[in-house]
Amino acid sequence: AQSVTQPDIHITVSEGASLELRCNYSYGATPYLFWYVQSPGQGLQLLLKYFSGDTLVQGIKGFEAEFKRSQSSFNLRKPSVHWSDAAEYFCAVGAPVNAGNMLTFGGGTRLMVKP
Amino acid sequence: EAQVTQNPRYLITVTGKKLTVTCSQNMNHEYMSWYRQDPGLGLRQIYYSMNVEVTDKGDVPEGYKVSRKEKRNFPLILESPSPNQTSLYFCASSITIRGGETQYFGPGTRLLVL
Repeated sequence: AQSVTQPDIHITVSEGASLELRCNYSYGATPYLFWYVQSPGQGLQLLLKYFSGDTLVQGIKGFEAEFKRSQSSFNLRKPSVHWSDAAEYFCAVGAPVNAGNMLTFGGGTRLMVKP
Repeated sequence: EAQVTQNPRYLITVTGKKLTVTCSQNMNHEYMSWYRQDPGLGLRQIYYSMNVEVTDKGDVPEGYKVSRKEKRNFPLILESPSPNQTSLYFCASSITIRGGETQYFGPGTRLLVL
């Protein structure tokens, strides 16, 4: 069974600083990997996803993530954080075809942005 | 507008009083799913449906029921709610169950069981 670990429960960064959110996964085959963002009181919005090809994936809102098979990681990055990026971020690993549990989520990282 | 809708958005109830949370999508998606979100645990899948009349258990199905009589609707039923079902619930859908397919999430239903 797949699993996802987000080691940082809370992260605080200053506006304009760079950001890296960590995600480690456990999966027995080539994974499908996702990052979702949840703004306060909102549902989940897909930031980006990886399932093949270039290991550096570009997403919306200036985010990117890099898949590193050797480290079983899929860390999310942004070069310059904006106050509106304050939210909770979830990493998820996707199951293959015909497996009903399509997504397994990490516990989430709550990002706070200092002015 | 393509979306997943859930009702109600907020619900306070008492132990043992049956309730239903509705979920509807207007994207003709085959796959629908229910998750619950609890602090530090992320989202955990309750039930999913691969198509009409096809449903199956996720990771935490105890105390919940679902049905899929129409493609667009996937209600979550709590026959006898208990306080440990206090949580934030999300419905999601995707066009198929093919791996890598994007899931679209509803806005969430916050449930408090007293």
